Amino acid sequence: GQNIDQPTEMTATEGAIVQINCTYQTSGFNGLFWYQQHAGEAPTFLSYNVLDGLEEKGRFSSFLSRSKGYSYLLLKELQMKDSASYLCAAMDSNYQLIWGAGTKLIIKP
Amino acid sequence: GAGVSQSPSNKVTEKGKDVELRCDPISGHTALYWYRQSLGQGLEFLIYFQGNSAPDKSGLPSDRFSAERTGGSVSTLTIQRTQQEDSAVYLCASSLSGTGFFRVLYNEQFFGPGTRLTVL
Repeated sequence: GQNIDQPTEMTATEGAIVQINCTYQTSGFNGLFWYQQHAGEAPTFLSYNVLDGLEEKGRFSSFLSRSKGYSYLLLKELQMKDSASYLCAAMDSNYQLIWGAGTKLIIKP
Repeated sequence: GAGVSQSPSNKVTEKGKDVELRCDPISGHTALYWYRQSLGQGLEFLIYFQGNSAPDKSGLPSDRFSAERTGGSVSTLTIQRTQQEDSAVYLCASSLSGTGFFRVLYNEQFFGPGTRLTVL
């Protein structure tokens, strides 16, 4: 079957760095997406990886290892506004997204 | 340009009533998705449209749920004889759907603000 696993909740301190991990098992693979969702709002796109390695975009970076079925989202210089849920989604061979349950990130001052 | 819009933003209904939720995708987006999200949970896939046809209805939780899309644009999700467990936020997303290599690039999904459904 198809499955996405990510931690339910994480806590970090303002100004620090946090890494949110995601492991996936899909029928075929066409890339890994990360979305951010603030409470009460719709998810918004953060990043997309299809090749192994690290993609950096400002304070956010995303890493992919296809051989390990593993990705992580790295958030640096955390700000209070980064408090949100972070959703991992893998695209399968039919180009459909398989979604994880999301990781709720709590930032403390 | 306009994003994905959904209406109503909030809907409170009594158990047993039918409800209809509407989604207006981004103009030109051929793919449309419906998801359900319960409080504090991840996204639950319901149905996917490519144009007006629905190649994947696997996520519809029961025969009380149905969806249609007309003119390759607006979609409606109908829930008949609502139950309290149907209470959730219903999210709609749309994407382009290119061919070949571009299918990957164009499959970023853009989400609407959602409809919060409360069944009393």
